[in-house]
Amino acid sequence: SAVISQKPSRDICQRGTSLTIQCQVDSQVTMMFWYRQQPGQSLTLIATANQGSEATYESGFVIDKFPISRPNLTFSTLTVSNMSPEDSSIYLCSTRTGIDYGYTFGSGTRLTVV
Amino acid sequence: AQKITQTQPGMFVQEKEAVTLDCTYDTSDPSYGLFWYKQPSSGEMIFLIYQGSYDQQNATEGRYSLNFQKARKSANLVISASQLGDSAMYFCAMREGGDMRFGAGTRLTVKP
Repeated sequence: SAVISQKPSRDICQRGTSLTIQCQVDSQVTMMFWYRQQPGQSLTLIATANQGSEATYESGFVIDKFPISRPNLTFSTLTVSNMSPEDSSIYLCSTRTGIDYGYTFGSGTRLTVV
Repeated sequence: AQKITQTQPGMFVQEKEAVTLDCTYDTSDPSYGLFWYKQPSSGEMIFLIYQGSYDQQNATEGRYSLNFQKARKSANLVISASQLGDSAMYFCAMREGGDMRFGAGTRLTVKP
């Protein structure tokens, strides 16, 4: 199954700034997914990113706040823009893998906004 | 509507004993997949076990087994011989079509 390298693993950021999270997959994958996990909560899908097209955002998430790039089949970035303390979460990228179409996840980015 | 329900916010188990983490789901699609993931404090999501909706046998992976009761729409995770390293959050998830949705999670604490 695919292996995803995600960075940074954690960061502490000032409110009003932006952070870009990168995910590199060791094989070509069609779709990548970005999730947010707020403290003590489950994973919520932010958007689905296909190479060569605009990301598809879930209800409650907008491109201006969470712009996503997908320049090729092995790489994607998520930017958290104009951050506020409410954006403090773990952000995870993932992709489908294997015959059962389960998901493989990056190691996560633990973001704290102060 | 909530599609994946985990009713146990927290569970405690004595080391070396077995524990069952509950998961129920809701779908009208005959084809779906059920997954369990472990999330330690580091935040990574670790795949544990998978059950397909058409699978006749319950899935097993080492100390993990999935008690799949299709008519009841339940997919409980059984961890045998608990170890201290099993202390973590556990998420049940369902793949329906192209999407993966997660339950609220259960925090398991293994006591020495």
